[in-house]
Amino acid sequence: EAQVTQNPRYLITVTGKKLTVTCSQNMNHEYMSWYRQDPGLGLRQIYYSMNVEVTDKGDVPEGYKVSRKEKRNFPLILESPSPNQTSLYFCASSLSGLAGNEQFFGPGTRLTVL
Amino acid sequence: GENVEQHPSTLSVQEGDSAVIKCTYSDSASNYFPWYKQELGKGPQLIIDIRSNVGEKKDQRIAVTLNKTAKHFSLHITETQPEDSAVYFCAARSDYKLSFGAGTTVTVRA
Repeated sequence: EAQVTQNPRYLITVTGKKLTVTCSQNMNHEYMSWYRQDPGLGLRQIYYSMNVEVTDKGDVPEGYKVSRKEKRNFPLILESPSPNQTSLYFCASSLSGLAGNEQFFGPGTRLTVL
Repeated sequence: GENVEQHPSTLSVQEGDSAVIKCTYSDSASNYFPWYKQELGKGPQLIIDIRSNVGEKKDQRIAVTLNKTAKHFSLHITETQPEDSAVYFCAARSDYKLSFGAGTTVTVRA
């Protein structure tokens, strides 16, 4: 089944404790992206990747890191999480970054930083 | 960067009636406008999209219109059904980035 998977689905952590949220897709997509969803703000793009070893900042990249060493994986790293990073996170992928390519979203990761 | 505004934030309609959601965007370079539906506990799912060289697109009960001059686009759902209840997001793509509106919670009353 074609899908985007994220792990973990739920995570409660404390301020300053490094964490990684994994994202994997099995559709051989070139483009991958991370979003955070907050009430009243919709989804905001954190980082995106056009292909392996090619990443760029979205609208809200502060406090996050990403890497794209393999085509299928795009982990999101929070080196020193803070309470304002408490949010619902979505990973997405599409065939390419060009207009008209549908983005497929993962099921989401709900992160709470205490 | 791109700024997408979406209205209304909540919409309650009687089953069988139509629902309309409107969005405006700021970046004239945006060339792709998808609409997503998000059900509770799930990720957004594409329901319809439109490119900047097209003014209108229809898929069964769902239609999207785009006015490039005014920089606004709208989602129309006709003959609404209970399963249409969800959160709907509009989005605009510019420079490989996708910017979303804040979302509209649609409730279809039986």
